[in-house]
Amino acid sequence: EAGVAQSPRYKIIEKRQSVAFWCNPISGHATLYWYQQILGQGPKLLIQFQNNGVVDDSQLPKDRFSAERLKGVDSTLKIQPAKLEDSAVYLCASSTGTPTPLYNEQFFGPGTRLTVL
Amino acid sequence: EDQVTQSPEALRLQEGESSSLNCSYTVSGLRGLFWYRQDPGKGPEFLFTLYSAGEEKEKERLKATLTKKESFLHITAPKPEDSATYLCAVQAARAAGNKLTFGGGTRVLVKP
Repeated sequence: EAGVAQSPRYKIIEKRQSVAFWCNPISGHATLYWYQQILGQGPKLLIQFQNNGVVDDSQLPKDRFSAERLKGVDSTLKIQPAKLEDSAVYLCASSTGTPTPLYNEQFFGPGTRLTVL
Repeated sequence: EDQVTQSPEALRLQEGESSSLNCSYTVSGLRGLFWYRQDPGKGPEFLFTLYSAGEEKEKERLKATLTKKESFLHITAPKPEDSATYLCAVQAARAAGNKLTFGGGTRVLVKP
């Protein structure tokens, strides 16, 4: 079974530039998550999609971050304009999304390491 | 607000030297507590889910336990391949969707 795919793996940009990350979840997984992991910290949820609808985006800095999952499959996370503090690893995860069992496992991709100079 | 604190931040062990990692949490109604392993340059890999106080789960040299305020990950007779960062996360009963709140992790280094 293929895992969660993310690209690019690494990205270096100047502050105030824009950047986009792509994620393709495990086939058939209805739920997709984007997390931000700053060096030395645990992942922090930015946004969760159920199919192509947003379930939770309470921690997404909406003035500069946006995300979409138009066809309910792959997803794009964009930052515009980037700030120095956005330097982090951006992780995508997916889960089956079925209502039972409630606590379904989240499968993570390898992440995209972003450096903002 | 849900909070997860892991200790110690880092742990250096000799091969075969057993130890425990701590995960303290505060959450309004626990739906589940999760343990993940993260290797450098990779995403977290699922290990265990614990649902209620008193529950225990084992996988090879790892054993996770849960109380009402904390969880422990016991590493018995570790090997160098057990070197990784171990992450603890909680899911609140009132959480939107399946939101996980993670702790900062414990970096474990096992020397041969």
